[in-house]
Amino acid sequence: EADIYQTPRYLVIGTGKKITLECSQTMGHDKMYWYQQDPGMELHLIHYSYGVNSTEKGDLSSESTVSRIRTEHFPLTLESARPSHTSQYLCASSESGGNNSPLHFGNGTRLTVT
Amino acid sequence: AQSVTQPDIHITVSEGASLELRCNYSYGATPYLFWYVQSPGQGLQLLLKYFSGDTLVQGIKGFEAEFKRSQSSFNLRKPSVHWSDAAEYFCAVGEAGNNRKLIWGLGTSLAVNP
Repeated sequence: EADIYQTPRYLVIGTGKKITLECSQTMGHDKMYWYQQDPGMELHLIHYSYGVNSTEKGDLSSESTVSRIRTEHFPLTLESARPSHTSQYLCASSESGGNNSPLHFGNGTRLTVT
Repeated sequence: AQSVTQPDIHITVSEGASLELRCNYSYGATPYLFWYVQSPGQGLQLLLKYFSGDTLVQGIKGFEAEFKRSQSSFNLRKPSVHWSDAAEYFCAVGEAGNNRKLIWGLGTSLAVNP
């Protein structure tokens, strides 16, 4: 049973469109993450949030933006989609405190920009 | 440079056979090590983790891994593979208390023959 939900699962969209990928978790986790996953490449962190109103960019430069207005919600937005944004986007969350609490991943959104 | 190497891109085993997936890391500090599994169309799920103590750690689904500091390795093992184990397996290394800085391997794709 998934406690972290991503919608849509698949999205095919034309160049120049604005899109928002949704991510919600019901576990009350403070930390949330967006990763980009491409075949043959390592997972790259593109956005990270410590908690409400606290976000920072990850190690991989991304033209996307995120917001964290509520603990459970961490949407990712692309203002103008391009074919180079075609990828799988994975959202994750983890507890605060303790030693490296495990990441809980959603099932991902596979984005194709035509 | 900090890195994680999974030497085997793809492995095929027969159902019931034993399995070992290799993971080697290069990390300057005390490594916190993880194995995650990604089934087709799903997000990643934590199999097991090593922080300290007993170097042989048990995980879910009958998996175990052994930390060998002298070899900078954290290999994943299972004595008898089931068809449902077919998936992508990712090794990751990080620093204490900081999931934001996880370094991921490229993954090993496991196929299981009936």
